[in-house]
Amino acid sequence: DIVMTQSPDSLAVSLGERATINCKSSQSVLYNSQNKNYLAWYQQKPGQAPHLLIYWASTRESGVPDRFSGSGSGTDFTLTISSLQAEDVAVYYCQQYYSTPPTFGQGTKVEIK
Amino acid sequence: QVQLVQSGAEVKKPGSSVKVSCEFSGGTFRNYAISWVRQAPGQGLEWMGGIIPILGTGNYASKFLGRVTITADESTSMAYMELRSLTSEDTAVYYCAGKEGYNYHWFDSWGQGTLVTVSS
Repeated sequence: DIVMTQSPDSLAVSLGERATINCKSSQSVLYNSQNKNYLAWYQQKPGQAPHLLIYWASTRESGVPDRFSGSGSGTDFTLTISSLQAEDVAVYYCQQYYSTPPTFGQGTKVEIK
Repeated sequence: QVQLVQSGAEVKKPGSSVKVSCEFSGGTFRNYAISWVRQAPGQGLEWMGGIIPILGTGNYASKFLGRVTITADESTSMAYMELRSLTSEDTAVYYCAGKEGYNYHWFDSWGQGTLVTVSS
């Protein structure tokens, strides 16, 4: 199974500031023939199911605010919240779907400083 | 817009089984890859397995092979996850989730979750 490791485990950011979450996979999730990275990002608020933010490493799901962006390739990926809002307090997960089983990172908790 | 609605919370004894249902609406069930993902208290997300109704057979994470069965009923647009030989470590919220298509890529729709508590 591909192991996904996120860093940091938690971070506190002031309102309006940038939040950056990193995700590293134990092997490349880049499908070379398609030039696509098989990686998604989710947001999970307390007591709620996860919510898809990004897939193909950088494609925002419909309705997701443009302050959320994804980048990276191969084994190293980043989720950036450009200007943190109060409603962004949540745990964020990366997930690879390059191989079965799909696997998730351990999560990064984002709080307001 | 796809909606997934799960059955209610369950309390089970160690050694018993649980069957959780997931009702699908708002799309074409047979072409929808449904997965089951669980989350232990305070922990992360774990894929257990999935099914693509048009293909019929479940796919399972090796950790759960032999202990979980995932089925789909096209006539009622329902998916089911049965987990056997429960232990306290199976206490978790179980989600059905999925996307249209014949693969287990990302999950763009999620059920509300079903809390399964295993306790003597």
